[in-house]
Amino acid sequence: GESVGLHLPTLSVQEGDNSIINCAYSNSASDYFIWYKQESGKGPQFIIDIRSNMDKRQGQRVTVLLNKTVKHLSLQIAATQPGDSAVYFCAEFVNQGGKLIFGQGTELSVKP
Amino acid sequence: DAGVIQSPRHEVTEMGQEVTLRCKPISGHNSLFWYRQTMMRGLELLIYFNNNVPIDDSGMPEDRFSAKMPNASFSTLKIQPSEPRDSAVYFCASSLRTVYFGPGTRLTVL
Repeated sequence: GESVGLHLPTLSVQEGDNSIINCAYSNSASDYFIWYKQESGKGPQFIIDIRSNMDKRQGQRVTVLLNKTVKHLSLQIAATQPGDSAVYFCAEFVNQGGKLIFGQGTELSVKP
Repeated sequence: DAGVIQSPRHEVTEMGQEVTLRCKPISGHNSLFWYRQTMMRGLELLIYFNNNVPIDDSGMPEDRFSAKMPNASFSTLKIQPSEPRDSAVYFCASSLRTVYFGPGTRLTVL
């Protein structure tokens, strides 16, 4: 039969707008989270991380928010640029920092 | 720093052949991960090592897959015999705290 691929959630934004990418994680014992960006033909690239004792962390044009109550992460990208177009993954460390598990990913498309 | 180095970058082989993928982690990192990425299953963790010791290989799909880390600067992932369903991009990653990925090996099994 025909294979069915993953249908990644897609977010389409206008250049210059802010983007918010959401992620639900699975393990309440996870204590460290990372956002990655993956461009076509490349490996995942580290963007920003956050530990479970924090609610918010800011980087250059990016902010990560962590809500442990509902096991939710978000990545905010300010003033989105065409070069931000990629698939974004959240990843959680389980087993006390040993095992990094990835979410499904969200495809961000930036329209000029 | 050269980052995580993987070889080959592309591999095309025929069903039944042995395939060996290679990885050189970032110097000083103490953990190494092997992932597989497909459209159907996304990014899957196959196995990870800490200080050269395999810690969790529960993601290895079956006995045809094996991984070794003989020293802190080298790891291999071997598939024997290979099958068409093994076609995927295989990533190696290493970490001391943050996990950094290599460029991947695109494997095609005909």
